[in-house]
Amino acid sequence: DIVMTQSPDSLAVSLGERATINCKSSQSVLYTSNNKNYLTWYQQKPGQPPKLLIYWASTRESGVPDRFSGSGSGTDFTLTISSLQAEDVAVYYCQQYYNTPLTFGQGTKVEIK
Amino acid sequence: EVHLLESGGGLVQPGGSLRLSCAASGFSITMYAMSWVRQAPGKGLEWVSTISSSGSIYYAESVKGRFTISRDNSKNTLYLEMNSLRAEDTAVYYCAKHTGDSVLGGGDYWGQGTRVTVSS
Repeated sequence: DIVMTQSPDSLAVSLGERATINCKSSQSVLYTSNNKNYLTWYQQKPGQPPKLLIYWASTRESGVPDRFSGSGSGTDFTLTISSLQAEDVAVYYCQQYYNTPLTFGQGTKVEIK
Repeated sequence: EVHLLESGGGLVQPGGSLRLSCAASGFSITMYAMSWVRQAPGKGLEWVSTISSSGSIYYAESVKGRFTISRDNSKNTLYLEMNSLRAEDTAVYYCAKHTGDSVLGGGDYWGQGTRVTVSS
């Protein structure tokens, strides 16, 4: 199984400042045949289902604000919120879909400082 | 507009059974992979099972042999039959539509979830 490890577990960022979440996979999730990283990022607010933010590691889902960006390749990935807004308070998860079992990171809780 | 509505959750004793349903609208479930993902109280997300558009089925080891995923194309509904339930199956169960027809994809639409509690 591919183990997904996020860091940090939680972070507090001032409004308007940058938030950075890291995700590391225990093996590469890059398919060399199509040069795509099989990794998504989700946002989950309390009492709500997850919301897809980023897929293929760096492609923003339609309607997602451009302050959210994803980067990385192979085993190391980053979700960046360039200017934190109050509505971004949530838990963020990475997930690999390179193979089954599909696996998630443990989540990173983002709060306002 | 895509919409997913789960139902069927509830309180069940250990060893009991439940069938969860996920009624889809706004798209055909035969065109996309569909998954069940669960979240135990205060915990993270755990993938449970996926059925691809072609009907290929995948399970997490923790539920293999106890849970069965299926779909009724005429009702555009996804199911999860859960048998031999254990306390550790207690969670909110979400159904999710994948971005494509394969298990190898993320979920772009999710239902609100249905709560399953396994307790005596």
